Amino acid sequence: KNEVEQSPQNLTAQEGEFITINCSYSVGISALHWLQQHPGGGIVSLFMLSSGKKKHGRLIATINIQEKHSSLHITASHPRDSAVYICAVRSGGSEKLVFGKGTKLTVNP
Amino acid sequence: EADIYQTPRYLVIGTGKKITLECSQTMGHDKMYWYQQDPGMELHLIHYSYGVNSTEKGDLSSESTVSRIRTEHFPLTLESARPSHTSQYLCASSWATWDGYTFGSGTRLTVV
Repeated sequence: KNEVEQSPQNLTAQEGEFITINCSYSVGISALHWLQQHPGGGIVSLFMLSSGKKKHGRLIATINIQEKHSSLHITASHPRDSAVYICAVRSGGSEKLVFGKGTKLTVNP
Repeated sequence: EADIYQTPRYLVIGTGKKITLECSQTMGHDKMYWYQQDPGMELHLIHYSYGVNSTEKGDLSSESTVSRIRTEHFPLTLESARPSHTSQYLCASSWATWDGYTFGSGTRLTVV
C-alpha cells in the first residue's frame, strides 16, 4: 500500500462544476504539497500546507493533520484546469517527498 | 526571470550510448532533486543535492550519476543507456525544506 493515496484516480467534470480531489497519507508529515502536471509533463507547485487551509484564485487546499487527510478543491472549473493533480508529503524526519499516483482531471466545455 | 531549465526536452537514443541530461536553475537554490516518472505512475526520487559537492542517492535505485560543481547546475549522466531507462526525468529545486518546490519541464527519454 502506498504511503500516499489519492482519490479518485480519474475525474471527468463539466465546465463550471465544483471539483474535490482527496489525499490520504499514513505517515507523520511536516508538510503536504499539491502539484499540477499538464500533458506536456511539466509540474507546477500549487500549494504547500502544514495546517489549515490555503486559497489561490479558484483553488482551495485544506489539510486535517489528525485525520491525515487533505483535499484540493477547484471552484467554477474550466477546461484549462484539465491536468493531473498530485499530492506529495514530506515526512517529519526527512527532506524527501513521497508522491501519490495523481488524479487525472478532465473538464469538458 | 527566476526559473529552472531542463534540456533536452525530448531525446531518442540508441542502447549503449552515454547521455547527460542538463538541469540549471537561476534562483540560487541550494537543494536540487532528480525524479523519475514512468507514464501514469508516481514520481520517484533518484538523486538529490543539498549544495555544491553534495550528492546523495534517492529511494529508487538508478544506474545514473549526478554532480554538483556549481550551485545552479545539476546534470544527470547515464554511462550506458538501456531500454529500461526509458522514462521521464524531472529536475526540481527548493530554497529550504519549508519552502515550495520549482520543477523543470522534464526530459522525456526513449532508449531504442
